[in-house]
Amino acid sequence: KQEVTQIPAALSVPEGENLVLNCSFTDSAIYNLQWFRQDPGKGLTSLLLIQSSQREQTSGRLNASLDKSSGRSTLYIAASQPGDSATYLCAVEGAGSYQLTFGKGTKLSVIP
Amino acid sequence: NAGVTQTPKFQVLKTGQSMTLQCAQDMNHEYMSWYRQDPGMGLRLIHYSVGAGITDQGEVPNGYNVSRSTTEDFPLRLLSAAPSQTSVYFCASRTLAAPDTQYFGPGTRLTVL
Repeated sequence: KQEVTQIPAALSVPEGENLVLNCSFTDSAIYNLQWFRQDPGKGLTSLLLIQSSQREQTSGRLNASLDKSSGRSTLYIAASQPGDSATYLCAVEGAGSYQLTFGKGTKLSVIP
Repeated sequence: NAGVTQTPKFQVLKTGQSMTLQCAQDMNHEYMSWYRQDPGMGLRLIHYSVGAGITDQGEVPNGYNVSRSTTEDFPLRLLSAAPSQTSVYFCASRTLAAPDTQYFGPGTRLTVL
């Protein structure tokens, strides 16, 4: 059974800092890995999707990397802003299943 | 496009009552799914569907029924609500035509007393 772990569970940084969120998974037979953002009381918003054949994806100040063989992904946020405060969720899609297995998330607070 | 819509936003039930959580999408997505989100547990898959007339169980299906009579709608039924079903429920959809993310609805917050 696939297990996804996110470290740290919570992170507080001053505005302007660069930061890294970590995600690890136990089964390397994945189709893709996705990063989502969740604001309090809201649904999930997709940030980045990395297919299993890719090493990284970038969108604006966000960069996600994938090392499938070691079962790890990182989400790098550059020049953090208070508006980045949210919970960030990592999820992997199993090969051939379409099903997502989620980590428990990292709650990020960016202090002005 | 409205995307994925869910109704109601909030619901309070008494133990033993039944209800249906509604989910609809207007993106012509083949795949639809239901998740529950609980503190400390993350999101867990309840049921999913790869097209009209086809449904299957996820990780935590007990106590829930689903059906998919149209591409657009995927209702989740609680037959006899229990306090353990107190949670936030999310519906999601995606196309199967290409690698794609899942698009999530805003959620339904359910409390069972």
